[in-house]
Amino acid sequence: GAVVSQHPSRVICKSGTSVKIECRSLDFQATTMFWYRQFPKQSLMLMATSNEGSKATYEQGVEKDKFLINHASLTLSTLTVTSAHPEDSSFYICSARDTVSYEQYFGPGTRLTVT
Amino acid sequence: LAKTTQPISMDSYEEQEVNITCSHNNIATNDYITWYQQFPSQGPRFIIQGYKTKVTNEVASLFIPADRKSSTLSLPRVSLSDTAVYYCLVGSYSGAGSYQLTFGKGTKLSVIP
Repeated sequence: GAVVSQHPSRVICKSGTSVKIECRSLDFQATTMFWYRQFPKQSLMLMATSNEGSKATYEQGVEKDKFLINHASLTLSTLTVTSAHPEDSSFYICSARDTVSYEQYFGPGTRLTVT
Repeated sequence: LAKTTQPISMDSYEEQEVNITCSHNNIATNDYITWYQQFPSQGPRFIIQGYKTKVTNEVASLFIPADRKSSTLSLPRVSLSDTAVYYCLVGSYSGAGSYQLTFGKGTKLSVIP
């Protein structure tokens, strides 16, 4: 089956630093990838839609200058949390939509803790 | 995007059949219905997808009435490892970049020994 990986799985950083999270589709190409955020005991919230070779589309209330998204290839999208603060601590999940089948597969998530 | 409504939680004993119903009154003609399972600190896992009538795979069945305003996920003979949050989503394939999955609150299923 299709696999989406995320790296790192866990990261702890100090307030004010930046953190990059990678999302890769391992055995399929993904023109579109999505980034979600999930706080404890809450549902997933879509942050942005990432399209290969173009600018990401951000959901209302998500700061595009704080959450930088790059989708430079058909198998890789990155989310950079800039100047992270403790309130950015969350579980970040990406998903990738198979260009051929349109099925959407989720990554295992990245736990970000900002101290 | 159609909004979905599910029960917040459900309890079931092991080896019972569990049916989780989702309401999506505003579903559009092109929308599919998809169910995902999520364990704590993991990404959602695809369970089943359908458009109308009944779909069955190796882990679940999905029942969709003719008006498509609701759907029911059926899990046969659940085990303790089926304890998870189950999400019902609707969305349509409409070209590159324009298909989104909006998660509702989900149903927390607790399987009791």
